[in-house]
Amino acid sequence: DAGVIQSPRHEVTEMGQEVTLRCKPISGHDYLFWYRQTMMRGLELLIYFNNNVPIDDSGMPEDRFSAKMPNASFSTLKIQPSEPRDSAVYFCASSLGTVSGANVLTFGAGSRLTVL
Amino acid sequence: GNSVTQMEGPVTLSEEAFLTINCTYTATGYPSLFWYVQYPGEGLQLLLKATKADDKGSNKGFEATYRKETTSFHLEKGSVQVSDSAVYFCALSGGSQGNLIFGKGTKLSVKP
Repeated sequence: DAGVIQSPRHEVTEMGQEVTLRCKPISGHDYLFWYRQTMMRGLELLIYFNNNVPIDDSGMPEDRFSAKMPNASFSTLKIQPSEPRDSAVYFCASSLGTVSGANVLTFGAGSRLTVL
Repeated sequence: GNSVTQMEGPVTLSEEAFLTINCTYTATGYPSLFWYVQYPGEGLQLLLKATKADDKGSNKGFEATYRKETTSFHLEKGSVQVSDSAVYFCALSGGSQGNLIFGKGTKLSVKP
């Protein structure tokens, strides 16, 4: 398996523009997570899905952020409109659920977003 | 709620030094515990895990023991290498919800 695939790897945009980040999870994984990483705030969970259904979106900063998972092999994280404070590395991760909850997350390489 | 506390970094060591990165947790029930590592420019990857009390996780010379009595999962390595320079994250499972709760990360720099 190619692992979790994220695109784009780097995105530079201007304030007010729409940004769409994409993620392809590992085939067969039933959980998908979106994280944001910054120097100031560390690693933050934004939202996660189980079987394509959003389970917890309490980490989504505000209404400008939205995430979808239309099928088991694709998810998007959209920011509209973008602001400079959204600059960060956004990670997607997927995992296979276990009864014990000891899910091992596999992370993508990340999408580095810079909003000017 | 569940939480993880890691020692503040950065940690700077000379090659072949002994490494300890402290991690303590607060949790209800019996979570599983993890250490993830993030090399520069990459995503996080699993380093080791332990699923019950007194379990020892190990990988690449790193070890951590799940200590329920002290609610700790400290990461250790007997002799670090320059290639171990990375950010290390302690994490615990969120129970049946499937998510993980991460600590803030500890940056390790190993000098030759």
